[in-house]
Amino acid sequence: NAGVTQTPKFRVLKTGQSMTLLCAQDMNHEYMYWYRQDPGMGLRLIHYSVGEGTTAKGEVPDGYNVSRLKKQNFLLGLESAAPSQTSVYFCASSYSDSTDTQYFGPGTRLTVL
Amino acid sequence: AQSVTQLDSQVPVFEEAPVELRCNYSSSVSVYLFWYVQYPNQGLQLLLKYLSGSTLVKGINGFEAEFNKSQTSFHLRKPSVHISDTAEYFCAVSGSASKIIFGSGTRLSIRP
Repeated sequence: NAGVTQTPKFRVLKTGQSMTLLCAQDMNHEYMYWYRQDPGMGLRLIHYSVGEGTTAKGEVPDGYNVSRLKKQNFLLGLESAAPSQTSVYFCASSYSDSTDTQYFGPGTRLTVL
Repeated sequence: AQSVTQLDSQVPVFEEAPVELRCNYSSSVSVYLFWYVQYPNQGLQLLLKYLSGSTLVKGINGFEAEFNKSQTSFHLRKPSVHISDTAEYFCAVSGSASKIIFGSGTRLSIRP
């Protein structure tokens, strides 16, 4: 039981490049989330999904897209990276709604030059 | 709309001393409250949560928190800290079905 895994762990991009971050969970959770963590700002929700085939915007969705084609996977895409997207990205999942415990992945550290 | 404020960005304490990490929230609806901990270079993990019932909530690693509706607070306490408690602690609030809002975090540093 691996829990929540994230790929890759580190990435450096140049401005304008694109990339996809992969989140996978093996706990059969319905809800999945993408957050970004910046110093002094805690975690901010980018997008989330309440089930396979669904996605919704969070607090800071601009510049990101997501897809949930399979229940166990939640992909976060950056179409044209900007330096402001330099951050640590965390994926999380939960069995049910926001009253339930969220399980977090180890994070992806992204630097955009 | 919900919001959460963690009043201290850093809290230094000596080993075996008590600690309190402060958290205040605002919400126009019923709230659910959480404390998560993040050890260095790791993701977050749940310490404890308040959904309903007893206002004193006990969590893992000897931590507890008290929900105070009149003061809109959910402070985290531990009577005696250990070096291994060095981490960043996040308070979070949820009032909607799908989302929770995290505070900015409090970095707890333990001095021997």
